[in-house]
Amino acid sequence: QVQLQESGPGLVEPSGTLSLTCSVSGGSISVDNWWSWVRQPPGKGLEWIGEIHHSGRTNYSPSLKSRVTISVDKSKNQFSLKLRSVTAADTAIYYCADSTGGWKLDYWGQGTLVTVSS
Amino acid sequence: EILLTQSPGTLSLSPGERATLSCRASQSVSSSYLAWYQQKPGQAPRLLIYGASNRATGIPDRFSGSASGTDFSLTISRLEAEDFAVYYCQQYGTSLYTFGQGTKLEIK
Repeated sequence: QVQLQESGPGLVEPSGTLSLTCSVSGGSISVDNWWSWVRQPPGKGLEWIGEIHHSGRTNYSPSLKSRVTISVDKSKNQFSLKLRSVTAADTAIYYCADSTGGWKLDYWGQGTLVTVSS
Repeated sequence: EILLTQSPGTLSLSPGERATLSCRASQSVSSSYLAWYQQKPGQAPRLLIYGASNRATGIPDRFSGSASGTDFSLTISRLEAEDFAVYYCQQYGTSLYTFGQGTKLEIK
């Protein structure tokens, strides 16, 4: 069973760029899966950010598309999230997740809290 | 973009009772694209049901899902203490995922 682990700064300044990495273990990122980022503001619900395939194909949430880039590094078995021009509204727990197919998110990382504040 | 509306917002029940959680889509959703997740405090969501009615690996058979048109349901036949959590429905369509706002299942 694949395991996912998010890493990155826990504090980002307003107007800056949020950068997170998800490390995949127990399996290859180059299988025919889609790799997603999902976030959850404290005390609120889940919001899907976007996904990437190892081929580099991406899909993004329309509401975040202008500020988001998701990339994959097959040599490191990782995929990454960059969210630009952040505000306090981007403060959330950020999860990476794996879809093995069937339009569902099968495996999730433990999540990492990112706070946007000066 | 398809919106998912979950009801009720909070459901208060006792262990041993039956729970039925609802998820209504704003337009037609293929059953194949509908999933349910459970989230406990401080934990990541866990996949329970996919394809509207298929249990994920390791999920007890007291959890079941069903679909009728744009209405989807998650039923827990006999609540156990570990089932009290927040539940989210999710759909995938036109290359994006959307989630419902969640139902909190609390102990009465």
